[in-house]
Amino acid sequence: EDKVVQSPLSLVVHEGDTVTLNCSYEVTNFRSLLWYKQEKKAPTFLFMLTSSGIEKKSGRLSSILDKKELSSILNITATQTGDSAIYLCAVEAATSGTYKYIFGTGTRLKVLA
Amino acid sequence: GAVVSQHPSWVICKSGTSVKIECRSLDFQATTMFWYRQFPKQSLMLMATSNEGSKATYEQGVEKDKFLINHASLTLSTLTVTSAHPEDSSFYICAAGPQPGQPQHFGDGTRLSIL
Repeated sequence: EDKVVQSPLSLVVHEGDTVTLNCSYEVTNFRSLLWYKQEKKAPTFLFMLTSSGIEKKSGRLSSILDKKELSSILNITATQTGDSAIYLCAVEAATSGTYKYIFGTGTRLKVLA
Repeated sequence: GAVVSQHPSWVICKSGTSVKIECRSLDFQATTMFWYRQFPKQSLMLMATSNEGSKATYEQGVEKDKFLINHASLTLSTLTVTSAHPEDSSFYICAAGPQPGQPQHFGDGTRLSIL
């Protein structure tokens, strides 16, 4: 059975700290791994990773995929209170004739002022 | 770009009512639409995947007669919760996928409360 696991489940840090969020997967017919940030409503897209070892960066956020270890990390440096959210990892998998996304459990991040 | 409109954003209705939720991709064509359900403080659970003009593919444990999905065009999919009961109360989110290999784009979700 396909599964995506994230750790830690929750995290509380202070502004300015650096955090690393983990995502591991066991998915048949892997295509890509995506990171999303969810605040009050629907998730917003952060990164899409398809190749191993290539870091993607956007401001204070960065992410990298390790296909050998079947995992990915999301780093946030110099955290701010606005980074407080649930961070979701999803894996895109090909299925018969179509494709789907399997979401991880999520990491709930709280950044204290 | 890549805007997905979902409505209603919230609905409260009596037990036994059927509720329809619409999901539209406004500025792109979505070959595939995804419907998710999210319980409080939990992650997104995929309910079904639909491709335009064909029957939806439901995940294991999701009742297809309970959750009717129609994907009539490349820009519109609907989810109808038939004869809704309190246990169907949840946050339902749709997502539209332009094509495989491109990230899906989410609607803002519908909070459904059945009394």
